Amino acid sequence: GAVVSQHPSWVICKSGTSVKIECRSLDFQATTMFWYRQFPKQSLMLMATSNEGSKATYEQGVEKDKFLINHASLTLSTLTVTSAHPEDSSFYICSAPIGTQYFGPGTRLTVL
Amino acid sequence: GDSVTQMEGPVTLSEEAFLTINCTYTATGYPSLFWYVQYPGEGLQLLLKATKADDKGSNKGFEATYRKETTSFHLEKGSVQVSDSAVYFCALYGSNDYKLSFGAGTTVTVRA
Repeated sequence: GAVVSQHPSWVICKSGTSVKIECRSLDFQATTMFWYRQFPKQSLMLMATSNEGSKATYEQGVEKDKFLINHASLTLSTLTVTSAHPEDSSFYICSAPIGTQYFGPGTRLTVL
Repeated sequence: GDSVTQMEGPVTLSEEAFLTINCTYTATGYPSLFWYVQYPGEGLQLLLKATKADDKGSNKGFEATYRKETTSFHLEKGSVQVSDSAVYFCALYGSNDYKLSFGAGTTVTVRA
């Protein structure tokens, strides 16, 4: 089946630094990808829709200047958490639709 | 808007017990319905899906039937195993886009 990868799988950073998370569709092209955030023992919350060749669409309440999304190609979307703070610590998951949605394995971000 | 209401856990069962997780939805039109499973420390995996009324999705011994009259998509498994311990999410696609709406998730623990 379709495969979506994420890199890194785990990252620890200091407060104030920026972290980039990559999401790749490995065997298909994705003009659209989705970024979710999951807090411990909670459901996934859609953060934004990443669109190849155009600006991302952010959900209400998500700071676009803090969570920068770039959909550089048909197989790659990146999420950059800028000036990260401890409250940004979370599990970030991307997905790409091809008939149904295929999810990446997630990236656990810990901000010290 | 579209929404999913899912039975909250946690649910603890013994091996070979019967599992049911209730899921009801609110949506306009004819949504597609999904069950995703998340094993500890991992991303989401599609477990099964149904795209129209009366469809039954099945996989790995799990089943769910799309019931339009009761707007439900309950997940069932007749005999659970320890390896079924995970968090289960009910989700739907609305009629107009690829955005998934998730239920809160149900944590299932199966004891030997």
